[in-house]
Parts: sequence; structure tokens; C-alpha cells
Amino acid sequence: QSVLTQPPSVSGAPGQRVTISCTGSSSNIGAGYDVHWYQHLPGTAPKLLIYGNNNRPSGVPDRFSGSKSGTSASLAITGLQDEDEADYFCQSHDGSLRIFGGGTKLTVL
Amino acid sequence: QVQLQESGPGLVKPSETLSLTCTVSGGSISNYHGSWIRQPPGKGLEWIGSVFYSGSTNYNPSLSSRVTMSVDTSKNQFSLELHSMTAADTAVYYCARHRYSGSRLDYWGQGTLVTVSS
Repeated sequence: QSVLTQPPSVSGAPGQRVTISCTGSSSNIGAGYDVHWYQHLPGTAPKLLIYGNNNRPSGVPDRFSGSKSGTSASLAITGLQDEDEADYFCQSHDGSLRIFGGGTKLTVL
Repeated sequence: QVQLQESGPGLVKPSETLSLTCTVSGGSISNYHGSWIRQPPGKGLEWIGSVFYSGSTNYNPSLSSRVTMSVDTSKNQFSLELHSMTAADTAVYYCARHRYSGSRLDYWGQGTLVTVSS
């Protein structure tokens, strides 16, 4: 059971917008800790997608965006593309403990 | 381009110690932390702990009694030892590099599957 809760799966057609939620509690996200998002294609290294709640590393398309409110955070992907099909997981802190979401599999229909 | 690569045995016997190494290329580990994270089959990610290039460590309390992390700056590597392995420790083990103790994980390795079985 992961500390941060994500939906197991989401799906969308090419060109559509999807969102992935990440729900925590008052001791982690709600306490003000940053939320980071990663994209993971099985068999490859996870890739940092969003850091500090809503910042994109260099090279990440602006189709990807993040937000945070209260005890939750969200990742939004607009203009869905086939290459976006992957696992996505969120990460934050609970004190000195680094915590993760259970991951969400995005299927592009 | 910074790359991380985990190396170590794919199979460990129960009660033995797992030893993994993470080699960083394309960038230094000086002034950086290295974290170890694992994912058991069908389960979520679990942070094991981190080590700073100076050697200071921060472990997940749930595993701290069995974990030892170290760093070798001359080889640009950081290492994990997990003692008294059981079947519950079967997982894909990842290493990752980050700038500060509580910061994002900038770069990850692709992971290595470790199975605990006699």
C-alpha cells in the first residue's frame, strides 16, 4: 500500500487531455512538501517529468503540466500522443522519508 | 548526459546479504546524493535510503536495521548492502542521483531485478 494514492490506470485517445491524481495527507503533500512526477517505460530508467509541483526539466514538452492543492497533486497531459503511453508516478516527502505513489498506467487508445 | 547503471547478483539466497553498486557516468557524484529505491513485483516503489558523497546516510526506518550504504568517489559509485535477505526483498532495485537530501530524483538507473530464493 503506497503512501500516495494514484488511480491504477487512465486512458485517452490521441489529442485528448488526461489527468492523473496523487492524493496524500496532512503529513506529506498537505505539509507543504513538493511533489515530483516521473515517467517510466518498462525496462528503461524512470525519467523526471515535473519537479517542484509544476516545473518542467529542460526537454520535457509543455504538454505536460503539474499542479498541487491541499493534500493532492495532479499531472495533466494535453494533446495525447502514442509515445505518452507509459507508467507515471508521483513522489513527495513525509518528514525525512521519501514517499511514492503506486503508479498509474496511461493507455493511449 | 548523466547515466546510472546498477550492477550486482540477480539471485540471492535467503539470509544472505545483497550487494549492489550504482555507477554514475557523464557526471560526478561529488556534491550529490545517491538514493536506492525498490519495487517488489506488483507493488509500489519503496525508498530504501540515500548516501551523500561525503558518506553521510539517511535510511528508511523500516529497513534501517538491515541497510548499509557507502560511496566511492574515486570510482564515481555508490553502493547498497541489504542484510538478512528474505523472499519479501525480491524486487527491482533502482539507484538515483539527486542534488539535495529532499530534492527531486534527477537521474535514475534502469533497475536490476533481484530474486531471493534458495
